[in-house]
Amino acid sequence: EVQLVQSGAEVKKPGATVKISCKVSGYTFTDYYMHWVQQAPGKGLEWMGLVDPEDGETIYAEKFQGRVTITADTSTDTAYMELSSLRSEDTAVYYCATTRPQDSSGYSLGYWGQGTLVTVSS
Amino acid sequence: SYELTQPPSVSVSPGQTARITCSGDALPKKYAYWYQQKSGQAPVLVIYEDSKRPSGIPERFSGSSSGTMATLTISGAQVEDEADYYCYSTDSSGNHGVFGGGTKLTVL
Repeated sequence: EVQLVQSGAEVKKPGATVKISCKVSGYTFTDYYMHWVQQAPGKGLEWMGLVDPEDGETIYAEKFQGRVTITADTSTDTAYMELSSLRSEDTAVYYCATTRPQDSSGYSLGYWGQGTLVTVSS
Repeated sequence: SYELTQPPSVSVSPGQTARITCSGDALPKKYAYWYQQKSGQAPVLVIYEDSKRPSGIPERFSGSSSGTMATLTISGAQVEDEADYYCYSTDSSGNHGVFGGGTKLTVL
């Protein structure tokens, strides 16, 4: 059974940095991209970017470029999303998501983590 | 930047057919995916690659795509289908994922 288990809720002050983890099991971590998705309270889903765990290559959405860093640790089958210079608008649930084996595109998001709430408040 | 456009809300009575549209310039060449999200839960894939249904998703869910518009159809919508629905695809380069703004489906 594929599982994506994310780290717990975080509370950060404006200007700080948050790093969220996503530990996977049930499949070969390096076979599929790991994506991150943001959802602010009462708002829609927003694609943030991805990492290819096989070689560490990343692609980021323009909105988050320069503030987000997505990494993958193949020794622990864990992906990370770090967001810096936090502001109140970054208060959101952050999801990791990856592809199912039967999907033809690495951008298909068939498996999702449970989400991690990040609250940015002074 | 690239956008996918969905109607903010759709409302149907139980048993009726609900159709949710998603428009985007790259859809003629890029797959559309549809996600159902209920309050407080992670999104669930209900349609992938325009029209395929994952195992475990009821047959009343179907998808199609023509030109710059993809459509999610729920035939005989049930009260339990009330949720937010998001379309998802990539931009023309294929390098960036993009979600539509979401559609709140009301079944009552």
